[in-house]
Amino acid sequence: AQKVTQAQTEISVVEKEDVTLDCVYETRDTTYYLFWYKQPPSGELVFLIRRNSFDEQNEISGRYSWNFQKSTSSFNFTITASQVVDSAVYFCAPREVIFGTGTLLAVQP
Amino acid sequence: KAGVTQTPRYLIKTRGQQVTLSCSPISGHRSVSWYQQTPGQGLQFLFEYFSETQRNKGNFPGRFSGRQFSNSRSEMNVSTLELGDSALYLCASSSDGHRSGNTIYFGEGSWLTVV
Repeated sequence: AQKVTQAQTEISVVEKEDVTLDCVYETRDTTYYLFWYKQPPSGELVFLIRRNSFDEQNEISGRYSWNFQKSTSSFNFTITASQVVDSAVYFCAPREVIFGTGTLLAVQP
Repeated sequence: KAGVTQTPRYLIKTRGQQVTLSCSPISGHRSVSWYQQTPGQGLQFLFEYFSETQRNKGNFPGRFSGRQFSNSRSEMNVSTLELGDSALYLCASSSDGHRSGNTIYFGEGSWLTVV
């Protein structure tokens, strides 16, 4: 069975702190994709990043970085120097039918 | 390029009524998925349509149904509404879903309140 786990339900940080969101995807599939989405208070989910299971290189894009480790099935997402506008719910999803339960990130000014 | 459009954005219905929600996908996208989001259950997959055929179905009762038209526009219907159906209903479109590595793009959702 496939299972995606976001163990952190809520995280609260102060602006400019770094924060890492965790996602673990358990599957027997040898090839797969993983996606991260952000849902601000307005409700619309916004695509952030897609990674495939063959690519374990860490990636950095501006204040965002991603660390994918296939051996532990973990796909973590770090925001550096967080800002109030980063406050949202973050979902990881290996497939359109399976979304993690989401992590609510609150960035306090 | 226009995004995913959902109508109506907000609606209030009475228990026992039925409701139809509409979704217009991004032009060229053939896959449309529907989700229910509630505070207690998170984001739950309802069903996916691809080229007018239901390709995947989540674990929801038969009161929840959907369809897709030849222009890829999709509708979902909930009959005999219950209080627990109050939720944000999200539609998402893509070329062929996550399985092919395609990103799915979400609409702003339809907020349904059942009273």
